Order: sequence, then C-alpha cells, then structure tokens
Amino acid sequence: AQSVTQLGSHVSVSEGALVLLRCNYSSSVPPYLFWYVQYPNQGLQLLLKYTSAATLVKGINGFEAEFKKSETSFHLTKPSAHMSDAAEYFCAVNRGGSYIPTFGRGTSLIVHP
Amino acid sequence: DAGVIQSPRHEVTEMGQEVTLRCKPISGHDYLFWYRQTMMRGLELLIYFNNNVPIDDSGMPEDRFSAKMPNASFSTLKIQPSEPRDSAVYFCASSFKPSAYNEQFFGPGTRLTVL
Repeated sequence: AQSVTQLGSHVSVSEGALVLLRCNYSSSVPPYLFWYVQYPNQGLQLLLKYTSAATLVKGINGFEAEFKKSETSFHLTKPSAHMSDAAEYFCAVNRGGSYIPTFGRGTSLIVHP
Repeated sequence: DAGVIQSPRHEVTEMGQEVTLRCKPISGHDYLFWYRQTMMRGLELLIYFNNNVPIDDSGMPEDRFSAKMPNASFSTLKIQPSEPRDSAVYFCASSFKPSAYNEQFFGPGTRLTVL
C-alpha cells in the first residue's frame, strides 16, 4: 500500500522567508509524487509533479521539490514567501497499478507580513 | 476549456432532505472522481468512474450516498436522506487516462451545510 505523511498541519513564516513543507511517502514501487495547492474557497490545483526525469522538480509560482529516494521524501520549498502563497498544500502519491492518488492531510501555510 | 464545473457552489438544507450535487468534467477526460473534504478527515475519495462506469465506490460512507454518470459530460452525487454529519465540501475532479504523469483537475467544490 502507498501512503503519504505531511509533517505539520500548519507552517507559519514571515514574508520573504524560506518556505519548507515536508512530505514523506511509503511505496513498494517507484512512486509518482505530486504537490497540489488549494487557495481559500477553491479546488486543488497542481503545483508540480515528479515524473522520474529529474529529482529536482520546478513548479509554478517559484516552488520546487526534491525527490530523495534514500529519505523517501519529497519536500516542497520556496526561497522567499509571498503573502499570496498563503494556502493549503497537499502532497499526493499515486496508488500502484491504478494511478489513483492518495492525498496527505494537508499543510496550511500562513504568511505573516 | 472552462475546467471542471460544479453546481451548486453552496447548498444549505435541512436534515432528512435529498441533496443532489452536479459535476461537468473537462471534455476528453476519461476519469471522474468525487471527494469529500472535512477538517476532521481531510480529503476523502468517495467514488470514481472510468468511461462513465463506477470503478471503486468503497469510499462511499453509507447507502444514503449514491453517484451516477449517465454520460461523459455529467455526473451527480446524491445524498438521501441528508444528515448534519454530511456537512462538508464536496469536490469533483477529472483526469485523462491514468498514467504516472496525469494529474487530476479539480472543480471549485460544493459547500454543503445540513442543518
């Protein structure tokens, strides 16, 4: 079975500070990993995805994530937080065979002025 | 494309009433998913369809919940009778044929409040 764990239900940063949102996965087969973002009162939208082509994946709005097999991690980072980054972030891993994603519980990013 | 369309965006109803949520997936997508999001349980997959056929409904919480997809461009999620614990945001999502690379596209959600 595949699963994903997001450490920290809330992360608070100051505007301009580094953003680090943690995601660890468990998978019996090579995983396919995604980060989605959910802005208030909206549906989820894709931020970036790991397709095995490169371990460092760049997404929209300056976010990137690095796949580390030895650590079973896929942490999301952004060098400098902006107020507009305040949202809920979900890590997801696809289920082996069916390619149906399993979502983490989400991490709420709070950005202070 | 307008993306995944859901209606209504907000629904307030009284316990015992029937509730019908509607979804129009992105044209050309083969898969359609219904999710429920609550603070307590996070994002839960309720059911998904492939080419209008229900594939896995193991996430449907009770017999009070039912979903249909009569054609490639329309799906409904029905709750009858509704209960206060059904209050949540319900999302519809669609995707192309599944592969490692295909992400899901979510609608804006329907916020359901059962009084």
